Amino acid sequence: AQKVTQAQTEISVVEKEDVTLDCVYETRDTTYYLFWYKQPPSGELVFLIRRNSFDEQNEISGRYSWNFQKSTSSFNFTITASQVVDSAVYFCALSDPGAGSYQLTFGKGTKLSVIP
Amino acid sequence: SQTIHQWPATLVQPVGSPLSLECTVEGTSNPNLYWYRQAAGRGLQLLFYSVGIGQISSEVPQNLSASRPQDRQFILSSKKLLLSDSGFYLCAWRAGGQTSNQPQHFGDGTRLSIL
Repeated sequence: AQKVTQAQTEISVVEKEDVTLDCVYETRDTTYYLFWYKQPPSGELVFLIRRNSFDEQNEISGRYSWNFQKSTSSFNFTITASQVVDSAVYFCALSDPGAGSYQLTFGKGTKLSVIP
Repeated sequence: SQTIHQWPATLVQPVGSPLSLECTVEGTSNPNLYWYRQAAGRGLQLLFYSVGIGQISSEVPQNLSASRPQDRQFILSSKKLLLSDSGFYLCAWRAGGQTSNQPQHFGDGTRLSIL
């Protein structure tokens, strides 16, 4: 069975600090996809990034970076120089290619609060 | 470009009343469609998904139902709401097909309060 664990329930940082959100996953599939979503206080989920299982290159997009390590089944998300607008709940998710619906298995989310 | 519309944004309903939440997608054909519920905590619970018109799969037994009368329309319904139906309901779509690399894209959600 697929499983995604986000051990950090809530994190608070002061503005301009760097913060890393952890994500650990379990799957028996050899090909799979990982995603990160952001849910700001307004409620909608915003897609941030997709990573496939055979590409372990880290990715950087502005202040955001993602570290995918297949050996430890982790897909961590780092925000550099955090800003108040980064305050949100962040979800890590894993695709389920075995199901006809291509469902996503979500972690329980990490609530990030950036304090000015 | 593709867009997803979900309404209403907020809804307050008495216990035992019916429910109809609607979701439509524009700019794509034959999408996969999903209904999620996010209760008081933050976890997302998949309620229903659909891979085509009239094809509905339920993930959790409950007093809710879903229908897909048109390719890009997905409706969540109930005949009699329960207090436990309160929550934040999200509709999502993803490109149809045989690959699992496509992300799901979410609507703005409906905040449902049952009194």
